[in-house]
Amino acid sequence: GENVEQHPSTLSVQEGDSAVIKCTYSDSASNYFPWYKQELGKRPQLIIDIRSNVGEKKDQRIAVTLNKTAKHFSLHITETQPEDSAVYFCAASKGNTGKLIFGQGTTLQVKP
Amino acid sequence: DVKVTQSSRYLVKRTGEKVFLECVQDMDHENMFWYRQDPGLGLRLIYFSYDVKMKEKGDIPEGYSVSREKKERFSLILESASTNQTSMYLCASSLQGPNEQYFGPGTRLTVT
Repeated sequence: GENVEQHPSTLSVQEGDSAVIKCTYSDSASNYFPWYKQELGKRPQLIIDIRSNVGEKKDQRIAVTLNKTAKHFSLHITETQPEDSAVYFCAASKGNTGKLIFGQGTTLQVKP
Repeated sequence: DVKVTQSSRYLVKRTGEKVFLECVQDMDHENMFWYRQDPGLGLRLIYFSYDVKMKEKGDIPEGYSVSREKKERFSLILESASTNQTSMYLCASSLQGPNEQYFGPGTRLTVT
């Protein structure tokens, strides 16, 4: 079946450095790719998303890139801060449906 | 602001008990979802509903059933709870099609 692979599973960076998380997906009909941030004990919340007709999207320190040919997309966080520490999940839509397939998650630690 | 609420934050049940988890959203969303979250496995879809009384199995439906009698409410039922159903359960809702999913706060269920 369709799946989404996410790497790395853990990532530790110094405050101010950049962090990159990568995901690959298998469903060539996927057309929506959100990223969620889940802080400890809280619900996942959307931080940025991208649709298949766009190659890159940026929102302040966060950017997402999408390569539909290679079926991979990445989250880039610049100038990381301790409050960026959380678990990040990528996801891809199951075709054009409302269902999402989630990656396994990346635990990001930003050391002050 | 979209609000998704779940009936309990923590629940402890005994093996064999029937368990009801309820989810309510206030944004008139067509889609509602039940996920299970376990460390290292990401969010796995149990069931999906795209309209009142309509449901689709997700990736791990065994041992679960759902009910959607009203648009705003989606219930997850464990017919006979087992210890391997100890987990965090997250409800979500979204507009029709591939769109942002809004999550509830989660229910931490322990089955002893």
